[in-house]
Amino acid sequence: AQTVTQSQPEMSVQEAETVTLSCTYDTSESDYYLFWYKQPPSRQMILVIRQEAYKQQNATENRFSVNFQKAAKSFSLKISDSQLGDAAMYFCAYLTQGGSEKLVFGKGTKLTVNP
Amino acid sequence: GAVVSQHPSWVICKSGTSVKIECRSLDFQATTMFWYRQFPKQSLMLMATSNEGSKATYEQGVEKDKFLINHASLTLSTLTVTSAHPEDSSFYICSARTGPDEQYFGPGTRLTVT
Repeated sequence: AQTVTQSQPEMSVQEAETVTLSCTYDTSESDYYLFWYKQPPSRQMILVIRQEAYKQQNATENRFSVNFQKAAKSFSLKISDSQLGDAAMYFCAYLTQGGSEKLVFGKGTKLTVNP
Repeated sequence: GAVVSQHPSWVICKSGTSVKIECRSLDFQATTMFWYRQFPKQSLMLMATSNEGSKATYEQGVEKDKFLINHASLTLSTLTVTSAHPEDSSFYICSARTGPDEQYFGPGTRLTVT
């Protein structure tokens, strides 16, 4: 079964600085999707960024980018120019394939942004 | 687009009673919806996959007789917690699939069983 590991329970960053959140996963599949979701205090899950495994190019969404290392099964999230509104729980997720597509989540990283 | 709503946002019920939570896709049709449970400061745990017009598929360890899921239309799935007990108190989140690789989440429902 696929597993997702986020080794940093908490991280902090100064406003306007850059922070990287780590995520590794385990799978035997060759084609899959990876996601980063943000969960602010409101608890609404918000999609931050998505990466398709067959695409070598790292996904980018404005200040958010990923470093996808398929061979290493690593999928880190970089937040540039951190803003106070970025403070939230961040979950890395893997979408299983093969007919019963479902998301497998990591345990999350709590990001604090200091003014 | 791709808005998912949940109702109620917060419900308090007495032990032994049943409570129903609704999940609606407001601007799209969803043949598949998912129900998750989230304990405080923990991650989301998938409870079941709900397919329109068929029985839900429950994850291992989830009691199907306790957590009844109905997906009667392409825009509505319901989760009924039957004979609720304090240990069922949690945050329940639904999501709806819009494509093979995309899910949108509802805002969640906080259930408190007294």
